This record gives sequence, structure tokens and C-alpha cells, in this order.
Amino acid sequence: GEDVEQSLFLSVREGDSSVINCTYTDSSSTYLYWYKQEPGAGLQLLTYIFSNMDMKQDQRLTVLLNKKDKHLSLRIADTQTGDSAIYFCAESDSGNTPLVFGKGTRLSVIA
Amino acid sequence: NAGVTQTPKFQVLKTGQSMTLQCAQDMNHEYMSWYRQDPGMGLRLIHYSVGAGITDQGEVPNGYNVSRSTTEDFPLRLLSAAPSQTSVYFCASSYGPAGGLYNEQFFGPGTRLTVL
Repeated sequence: GEDVEQSLFLSVREGDSSVINCTYTDSSSTYLYWYKQEPGAGLQLLTYIFSNMDMKQDQRLTVLLNKKDKHLSLRIADTQTGDSAIYFCAESDSGNTPLVFGKGTRLSVIA
Repeated sequence: NAGVTQTPKFQVLKTGQSMTLQCAQDMNHEYMSWYRQDPGMGLRLIHYSVGAGITDQGEVPNGYNVSRSTTEDFPLRLLSAAPSQTSVYFCASSYGPAGGLYNEQFFGPGTRLTVL
């Protein structure tokens, strides 16, 4: 079945850029998502990208997609302490199947 | 709109007890899902529903039952609680299948369940 892999931890200094990586196995993935989970809360959609795009930028967030290598990354510029959270990568083949989530990357921002 | 609400926020059960986790949404979403979140395991889908009266199993359905008698509500029942069901449970809803541009999944705040 489909699988989505992420590294579990990332630590960066405030003001630096963070890069969270994700790989997926489903070659029919059409939509790829990044969700953010703050402590004690549910997940919130951060951004998404279609499989026919290479890059998407949204303020401090940049998503890069390498479809050949099935690799997705989320870059957060000027990382702030408020960005400390767990970030989940998720994919869908745009059909009627539920999203497949990665295990999440815990981002810690050091002041 | 209240969005997706879940009750209770916390629950402690003894092995063998049964209980129902409640989930409701006021966005008229057709699709609703239950996930469990365990450390290092990410989110795993338990059951989902594509509309009132229609449910299907996810990745880890054993030990859980669901029903969908209304669009708004999607309760999750634990029939005979086991320590392996200690987890944080999230309910989510979306207009359509949780993939696609316009089908963002909205998550509830979660229920933290401990089974002793």
C-alpha cells in the first residue's frame, strides 16, 4: 500500500530556515499536503501542491516537489518559536480514498 | 460555526469497559473520519464515512464500531476497551473525499483516552 515517510525530529535556531522532508511511494499521488499540529490541538492544513507543479510559495512557506524522486519538502523561512509544532506530510490520489499521512516531524525552534 | 467538536476531551477506562467518543460538525460535510495518533506512529485511519448511512473501515478498525445516522454526527464506539487502545483520537470532516483542492479536512481538538 501507499507509504509516506518523514524524519521524526528537526531542531533549528530562531531566524534560520527550516526544511522538512517527505518521501512517498504512490506514483498516482495527485495532491500532496502539509498539515501542522500545535501542542494539544488537532491538525490544521498549512498548504498543498498538485503533482503537476514543482514549487508553490505562500508567504514564509515554500513547497518543493520532485515527482521523479517522489520527494516533497516544506521550507519555512525566518523560523519563529511559534512555528514549533509537528508537521505532517499527506498524500491523496484525488480519488475517493482517504489521505495517507506520514508519521510527522517534530520541529523545535531554539530562541 | 463551531467546526468539528469532540467530547470528552479526556477519558480513563478500565479494561473491558465500553464507551462512545462523540464527534459532531456543523459545516454540512459529507465525509467524516476517525484517526488515532500514537507516538512515532503518526495518524492512522480507523473508520470513515462518505455520507449518512455509509461507513467503511480504515487501516486499524478492529475493536471499534461506527455509525452515521445523521450528516452532523459520527460517534466512535469502543466495545471492550483494551490497553492497546490508549491513544489520542481525532475526528475530521470534509466536503468531499479528503483529497483534492476543495476538500480540506478539518480536525477536531482530540480525545485523550487511557485504558488501564
